[in-house]
Amino acid sequence: QVQLVESGGGVVQPGRSLRLSCAASGFTFSSYGMHWVRQAPGKGLEWVAVIWYDGSNKYYADSVKGRFTISRDNSKNTLYLQMNSLRAEDTAVYYCARDLGMGTMIVLHWGQGTLVTVSS
Amino acid sequence: NFMLTQPHSVSESPGKTVTISCTRSSGSIASNYVQWYQQRPGSAPTTVIYEDNQRPSGVPDRFSGSIDSSSNSASLTISGLKTEDEADYYCQSYDSSNVVFGGGTKLTVL
Repeated sequence: QVQLVESGGGVVQPGRSLRLSCAASGFTFSSYGMHWVRQAPGKGLEWVAVIWYDGSNKYYADSVKGRFTISRDNSKNTLYLQMNSLRAEDTAVYYCARDLGMGTMIVLHWGQGTLVTVSS
Repeated sequence: NFMLTQPHSVSESPGKTVTISCTRSSGSIASNYVQWYQQRPGSAPTTVIYEDNQRPSGVPDRFSGSIDSSSNSASLTISGLKTEDEADYYCQSYDSSNVVFGGGTKLTVL
């Protein structure tokens, strides 16, 4: 079965950086697009970024464009999110999610999430 | 970018049927598939409907999805309501470079 396990969350000061990881198993990682979706405390879901199965295409929400970078290592079955210039409004649970296909923009499977808190 | 608008909350009694709507602000609802996610308190979201009306394995057939081009909206219908269906429900759609979630609907089963 599909398993997605996020790690790397924690407390970080405004302006600093953090890198999240997502270890994937139970499917052929290199065949699927992958997403990051976040949820601020008490708020709804907000899509962050997507990367195509082979890394050829990457798209970002306007709120993180220029600050966050999505990447993947298909040899390690791992997805990453490099977050720079963090702001208080980036505080959220960050979910790793698998696409329906190579890059359909349809989120199908979800991880359990990792909490990022941006605070001084 | 378009928006997806959902009612803030709905409530219904066990055993009844409830429908949650999701209205697309611009562009045709039929131009891109709509998905629905369930999120119980304290848990990660799970997919209950994808590609407008497809159920992932393990999702009971009490859950169904549809789209209505006349109202430019999608709907999630849950029949035979159970207390375990009490959760937040989110719709989702997309365009070529952007994924959009609705604001979520809190379903209360009382």
